[in-house]
Amino acid sequence: EDKVVQSPLSLVVHEGDTVTLNCSYEVTNFRSLLWYKQEKKAPTFLFMLTSSGIEKKSGRLSSILDKKELFSILNITATQTGDSAIYLCATNSGYSTLTFGKGTMLLVSP
Amino acid sequence: NAGVTQTPKFQVLKTGQSMTLQCAQDMNHNSMYWYRQDPGMGLRLIYYSASEGTTDKGEVPNGYNVSRLNKREFSLRLESAAPSQTSVYFCASSEVRGQGGPEAFFGQGTRLTVV
Repeated sequence: EDKVVQSPLSLVVHEGDTVTLNCSYEVTNFRSLLWYKQEKKAPTFLFMLTSSGIEKKSGRLSSILDKKELFSILNITATQTGDSAIYLCATNSGYSTLTFGKGTMLLVSP
Repeated sequence: NAGVTQTPKFQVLKTGQSMTLQCAQDMNHNSMYWYRQDPGMGLRLIYYSASEGTTDKGEVPNGYNVSRLNKREFSLRLESAAPSQTSVYFCASSEVRGQGGPEAFFGQGTRLTVV
């Protein structure tokens, strides 16, 4: 059974801090790892990672995958209150389904 | 562009009642999914449909049925609702992205309470 574990489960930081969210996985036939941001309702896609060591970047957010150690990190620099959300990590081990972790709830205080 | 549309947004049911959650996507995606999200549990797959005409069980299928009506629509039915089915339900759709697997697009969710 595929397993995705995220840490920490929750985190409170001050605006301007840098945060690192972790995602480890045990997946047969790994194809990709995805990060989503969930604010009030639907998760929205952030990144998809398929290769080790290649950083994906979008503004203040970046992510990298380590396929040898089976983990990924999501970094957010200069955090803003609008970054407050649940961040979900998911893996894909076939063509059709995703396995999600429980998420990290991030609260950025002003 | 509407993306993935779910109805209803909220629903309260009595134990034993039945209902159908509707989902439609306008992105011409082949694959569609139903997830449930409970506090501290992340998103768990109930059923999915890899293509029109096929459906498969996910991690937590008991108590649910699905119908892939056509390429656009994928419905989830609760035949006899139970309090354990109180949850937020998300429909999603995807198309395979290269060799990396599906990037799923989610609907806005249905908050279901069974009393």
